[in-house]
Amino acid sequence: EIVLTQSPGTLSLSPGETATLSCRASQSVGSAFLAWYQQKPGQGPRLLISGASRRATGVPDRFSGSGSGTDFTLTINRLEPEDFAVYYCQQYGGSPRYTFGQGTRLEI
Amino acid sequence: QVQLQESGPGLVKPSETLSLTCAVSDDSVNSYYWTWIRQPPGKGLEYLGYVYYSGSTNYSPSLEGRLSISIDTSKNQFSLNLTSVTAADTAIYFCARSGTFPYYFDFWSQGTLVTVSS
Repeated sequence: EIVLTQSPGTLSLSPGETATLSCRASQSVGSAFLAWYQQKPGQGPRLLISGASRRATGVPDRFSGSGSGTDFTLTINRLEPEDFAVYYCQQYGGSPRYTFGQGTRLEI
Repeated sequence: QVQLQESGPGLVKPSETLSLTCAVSDDSVNSYYWTWIRQPPGKGLEYLGYVYYSGSTNYSPSLEGRLSISIDTSKNQFSLNLTSVTAADTAIYFCARSGTFPYYFDFWSQGTLVTVSS
């Protein structure tokens, strides 16, 4: 099983600042197979980034993804109030076919 | 915009079978991958399994033997059955779609809480 470890667990920032979220895999993950999601209370997750760096439709350009191999990063520039949520990384491949990180809570 | 909506009982007794259905709107289950994911209250996301439009399936090894996922193209929906449930199966259950490439989930439902309790 490919284990994804996200850090930090909680990130406290203010609107206008930059958030840097990390996702580390226990073994190499192909860039095509790494995605990021945003989840707000009472909602299903929303796809933000696929293929490690490709923004999903409608996602603002202040969200960006980068990385390869075992280290991936989600960066959110110029934080807006609506960006405060929980963020998950997810990988495809192996068994089980998909695994998720434990999440990073971004709080004001 | 693809929409997914779960339905099913919110309370299931221990040792019984948890059954959920996901109705799909503005898309056809005759394409793509259709997946179930769950989230215990206050915790992270766990992949359960998917059904491809052809009917082929993939299940998480941790649930294999208890889980079955099927597709009903006539009703444009897919379903989950989880047998012999325990309190550990209490979670919010989501259905989701993977598009042309099965690498990620591009549309999700809002989620439904299923509690296992006598």
